[in-house]
Amino acid sequence: DVKVTQSSRYLVKRTGEKVFLECVQDMDHENMFWYRQDPGLGLRLIYFSYDVKMKEKGDIPEGYSVSREKKERFSLILESASTNQTSMYLCASSLRQRENTGELFFGEGSRLTVL
Amino acid sequence: GQNIDQPTEMTATEGAIVQINCTYQTSGFNGLFWYQQHAGEAPTFLSYNVLDGLEEKGRFSSFLSRSKGYSYLLLKELQMKDSASYLCAGLDSNYQLIWGAGTKLIIKP
Repeated sequence: DVKVTQSSRYLVKRTGEKVFLECVQDMDHENMFWYRQDPGLGLRLIYFSYDVKMKEKGDIPEGYSVSREKKERFSLILESASTNQTSMYLCASSLRQRENTGELFFGEGSRLTVL
Repeated sequence: GQNIDQPTEMTATEGAIVQINCTYQTSGFNGLFWYQQHAGEAPTFLSYNVLDGLEEKGRFSSFLSRSKGYSYLLLKELQMKDSASYLCAGLDSNYQLIWGAGTKLIIKP
């Protein structure tokens, strides 16, 4: 069974803390993505990666960074957490198909609360 | 700007049929996805349409009209387990996904 695993389902952090969200996939997918999901809004893309050590900014990269040292692992880093980063964070992966029409496989999400 | 519109919430009865609509405005178009997301769970892929017409997959069907910028997801023989949010996403000319806010479907006995 294919799987995208996010390290923490629930986190509570204080303003200014550094936060690491880890995502691991076991499907040998080239593409990996980080989204945030907020009530009343569509999924918003933070960063994505099409290959190891490669990263591209999405629609809302400010306040975030990412790391992809290994193909199966894609980490999201909040250098200094703020209350407006309280959200559900979803990691996803997909095969590198022609022109990104591949199905996304999502992790179960990490709900981050910043106090 | 780019936009995906879908109803916020719908209610339907177990055993019935429901149609969830999605209209899109994207810079170019390279297909439309539907995902299902149960509360507290990961979204899971339902369908991908790039050509006009209806594609059937068991109890679920997805329709696309590119000329109208319109899609719908049709769920037949509704079951209680179909209670979930349904996410519509369009793929623009840069092959980036534009997501709707999702439609929460409530199934009543």
